[in-house]
Amino acid sequence: KAGVTQTPRYLIKTRGQQVTLSCSPISGHRSVSWYQQTPGQGLQFLFEYFSETQRNKGNFPGRFSGRQFSNSRSEMNVSTLELGDSALYLCASSLARSQETQYFGPGTRLLVL
Amino acid sequence: AQSVAQPEDQVNVAEGNPLTVKCTYSVSGNPYLFWYVQYPNRGLQFLLKYITGDNLVKGSYGFEAEFNKSQTSFHLKKPSALVSDSALYFCAVRDPGANNLFFGTGTRLTVIP
Repeated sequence: KAGVTQTPRYLIKTRGQQVTLSCSPISGHRSVSWYQQTPGQGLQFLFEYFSETQRNKGNFPGRFSGRQFSNSRSEMNVSTLELGDSALYLCASSLARSQETQYFGPGTRLLVL
Repeated sequence: AQSVAQPEDQVNVAEGNPLTVKCTYSVSGNPYLFWYVQYPNRGLQFLLKYITGDNLVKGSYGFEAEFNKSQTSFHLKKPSALVSDSALYFCAVRDPGANNLFFGTGTRLTVIP
């Protein structure tokens, strides 16, 4: 079974721009979560989608948003990029919500100049 | 509130020696605990988890972890370290009311040949 895939793998943007990242979960997985990884803040939860609905959200500004499609693929969008948004963005999928292991994709490395 | 502490930023161990990477947790309710490993420029790979049952959990690549409720610890162990085990290790606890993970700050393991 194919793992979690994320596109693009690398991205360079400038301040003020917006960006959309994509995540395809493992086949059959309905829950998709997004995390941000930075050297200073570590791994932080952004949001989780399940059956096209946002079920949980971390402590990030409204510039960070996401959605999930009927095939469970998910996108996250960051508007009005700031230098501090430079990070590795990780997507994770799981079968359902409770007691299930989250499997991570390789991440999208975003650099904001 | 849920939290995880990894008290050691760096652990060095000689190849062939046993290794331990420490993790303590704080949760309300039953803890769901996970270990992940991250290699350079890669996402997180799942190693093992504790949900319930035996306190000694066996996982991938010969790793195991011991859940200790009285000490609120979940240390990762391996009887004989390999150079290829050198990586960044993260302990995580699941928010019991949701599906997001709270991660520790990570421990960089270096296995010396």
